[in-house]
Amino acid sequence: DTGVSQDPRHKITKRGQNVTFRCDPISEHNRLYWYRQTLGQGPEFLTYFQNEAQLEKSRLLSDRFSAERPKGSFSTLEIQRTEQGDSAMYLCASSFILAGYNEQFFGPGTRLTVL
Amino acid sequence: KNEVEQSPQNLTAQEGEFITINCSYSVGISALHWLQQHPGGGIVSLFMLSSGKKKHGRLIATINIQEKHSSLHITASHPRDSAVYICAVRTLTQGGSEKLVFGKGTKLTVNP
Repeated sequence: DTGVSQDPRHKITKRGQNVTFRCDPISEHNRLYWYRQTLGQGPEFLTYFQNEAQLEKSRLLSDRFSAERPKGSFSTLEIQRTEQGDSAMYLCASSFILAGYNEQFFGPGTRLTVL
Repeated sequence: KNEVEQSPQNLTAQEGEFITINCSYSVGISALHWLQQHPGGGIVSLFMLSSGKKKHGRLIATINIQEKHSSLHITASHPRDSAVYICAVRTLTQGGSEKLVFGKGTKLTVNP
């Protein structure tokens, strides 16, 4: 297994366009997390899934954002009608919960630039 | 005030120096993570700890739960240690789920 992968690694788009990012977690990891990181800041929690169920969404996740994890494997994060403020690094992480042990493994991130 | 505070924000050292990065937090936690982020964005987990001390090679992480403080030490620093080091705590959301809350990171530059 090569770890958590994300696609694309970079995305440049014009304001108002829709974008979709994909995250492939480590196989058999039952939890998948999305984070956003702006320049000079630490990552901020957006949402997470346990298997296919989306269990928590941050108030940072506006109505323009939607995340899915069909079949409990890969996940997609879609941003509709992008704004310049959406420019950030979008990070995905996965983990396997066992008896309270929950170490998250991060992907390389997708850097979004909205012009 | 951020729930997780790191210091210093930036740190420049000479190769071979002993380095300490500090992390203080203000929320209840179930675990604390130290992460390393290289230019380009990828994050690598260095340590996850809930008490005491862990050591991996030249890296040592300690945590004091009572004082809500953790330190990351690097012995015999090397230019390849140059990266951003991020402290993150595992805490509960208002909905009772777990999430990570991150510090802003400490940018370490080790000069040869």
